[in-house]
Amino acid sequence: KNEVEQSPQNLTAQEGEFITINCSYSVGISALHWLQQHPGGGIVSLFMLSSGKKKHGRLIATINIQEKHSSLHITASHPRDSAVYICALDSNYQLIWGAGTKLIIKP
Amino acid sequence: GAVVSQHPSRVICKSGTSVKIECRSLDFQATTMFWYRQFPKQSLMLMATSNEGSKATYEQGVEKDKFLINHASLTLSTLTVTSAHPEDSSFYICSAPTGNLDGYTFGSGTRLTVV
Repeated sequence: KNEVEQSPQNLTAQEGEFITINCSYSVGISALHWLQQHPGGGIVSLFMLSSGKKKHGRLIATINIQEKHSSLHITASHPRDSAVYICALDSNYQLIWGAGTKLIIKP
Repeated sequence: GAVVSQHPSRVICKSGTSVKIECRSLDFQATTMFWYRQFPKQSLMLMATSNEGSKATYEQGVEKDKFLINHASLTLSTLTVTSAHPEDSSFYICSAPTGNLDGYTFGSGTRLTVV
């Protein structure tokens, strides 16, 4: 079993829809990261979470440490949100990468 | 915020030649740099961890004589792919812990094509 599982693998939605991407993990962590990888390959760090909830613009990330589960939400999705979203576990300054969720938002 | 500048963004080289990829931390000191490789439609895979002033730590299966890492200063880490082969064609990206709320910052990546 993988240490980190993301779902769904692929997600296509219409502009304006509320998007949820899930991440479950099975190991102890010091933090969990949500990252965005653009089609060109560049990676942007969206959130680093160790508890609770964070919000940045239209993006919301939550984590439940007891359940070992995190979600990334996008409100009022837009085509420019199309990217691969990656959940990564922080363990001793090393990242354990999820497989990513490829999100396509259609206009 | 903390920025890592990675160059080149794209490189095409002939089989057998060497390619150097640089990652510079622009406004912070990167005592540690992680080097990742990503094949198409796959997750990033950690190749090695470099620490300023000491030898890099390589992940299992990564040839240290082929992927030379140098981290001679707090602002520069380099990865040299020696005697490149077509199977080394991949997307290489560096990352450094920033010590702030973001956790990590990433270079923009280098797409290497070996022909």
